[in-house]
Amino acid sequence: SQQGEEDPQALSIQEGENATMNCSYKTSINNLQWYRQNSGRGLVHLILIRSNEREKHSGRLRVTLDTSKKSSSLLITASRAADTASYFCATDPSIQGAQKLVFGQGTRLTINP
Amino acid sequence: NAGVMQNPRHLVRRRGQEARLRCSPMKGHSHVYWYRQLPEEGLKFMVYLQKENIIDESGMPKERFSAEFPKEGPSILRIQQVVRGDSAAYFCASSNGNQPQHFGDGTRLSIL
Repeated sequence: SQQGEEDPQALSIQEGENATMNCSYKTSINNLQWYRQNSGRGLVHLILIRSNEREKHSGRLRVTLDTSKKSSSLLITASRAADTASYFCATDPSIQGAQKLVFGQGTRLTINP
Repeated sequence: NAGVMQNPRHLVRRRGQEARLRCSPMKGHSHVYWYRQLPEEGLKFMVYLQKENIIDESGMPKERFSAEFPKEGPSILRIQQVVRGDSAAYFCASSNGNQPQHFGDGTRLSIL
């Protein structure tokens, strides 16, 4: 089964509002990453947060990580129509030599103009 | 300054045929990863390769699927005797051995 589980599965908000997506995972990790996927395209890397970090910012993105609860959140502030996409969290398990990312099911975000 | 290049973008095969998916990593990257995505789902890891070596194939079905990353040329994901259930988007990612991984736009495989 997938390690990462995002919620909500779908989110629809008005342009200008903030969007918050959550991700939970099961095993210990080296880092957690968030990716965006536009329809029919590949994944674009947004932000990486390491297991010893609690919060990270990049432009309008803010990511938090709580390793005690095995959860992360992605906040997009002042949303724009172009933010409409699916957002996935991916964990990098802390197994020596492991390189595979474990993805959640994603949150489908729709920004209404 | 190309990113990860995958081709073809779309591939249609009849049941029983072979499918070959190609991936050229980003310049300077020698680590390649293949993932499969079913509609409305997240990506699932298949295989991790470095040049001429398979490092982790724990996500790859034991039969009909194989992958290679030769010394020269792109990485190839090969599916023999395709079945309807192989229909999916197949994504390749590359890295220099550290995160993050950089993804291509995928190959959408349709089985008739």
